[in-house]
Amino acid sequence: DAGITQSPRHKVTETGTPVTLRCHQTENHRYMYWYRQDPGHGLRLIHYSYGVKDTDKGEVSDGYSVSRSKTEDFLLTLESATSSQTSVYFCAIWRGTTDTQYFGPGTRLTVL
Amino acid sequence: KQEVTQIPAALSVPEGENLVLNCSFTDSAIYNLQWFRQDPGKGLTSLLLIQSSQREQTSGRLNASLDKSSGRSTLYIAASQPGDSATYLCAVFDDKIIFGKGTRLHILP
Repeated sequence: DAGITQSPRHKVTETGTPVTLRCHQTENHRYMYWYRQDPGHGLRLIHYSYGVKDTDKGEVSDGYSVSRSKTEDFLLTLESATSSQTSVYFCAIWRGTTDTQYFGPGTRLTVL
Repeated sequence: KQEVTQIPAALSVPEGENLVLNCSFTDSAIYNLQWFRQDPGKGLTSLLLIQSSQREQTSGRLNASLDKSSGRSTLYIAASQPGDSATYLCAVFDDKIIFGKGTRLHILP
């Protein structure tokens, strides 16, 4: 258990509304990631962070933004949610090349 | 662009059998390769991590091998049990972590 929590765990929202998902870690790790998981696509990287206020895009970053103002929190924002963003979102932390990634429990987001 | 492929997408085997899951990747310049397990509705749990300089890693009934030159890894599960039923994903790390789509394993009691 790497002390990763995600909130909310489930959310239903309507098209066009803003949504923010939160990832919180208790171990002070530098690297944090946001993925989405969809049937037929597997896990795809949305954004990642390598330090406070240091973020970069992944392969499916369009329509998403992130912020990291504190080491322990990594926020994923959907500025104007669309039905194509219905997915399960996972946060992960990484301790370095000699270690694996540790995943949070996921957030199931439904956009109607 | 790195691509990770896992075949088969689904597999059913009787309890007690040994089995092999396959993972292939297109760019051999990787730092490491990881195998994860995912139960339905849950997050991912790390099983084994193989550094690029290593050939294999073992944990209990699990053994993972890595052949960088051919772009392949296998996950061997010995004496399979119904509790092994899950989706198994491999992921490679070069400058980012790229996941395969997984193999859904069902162990028949």
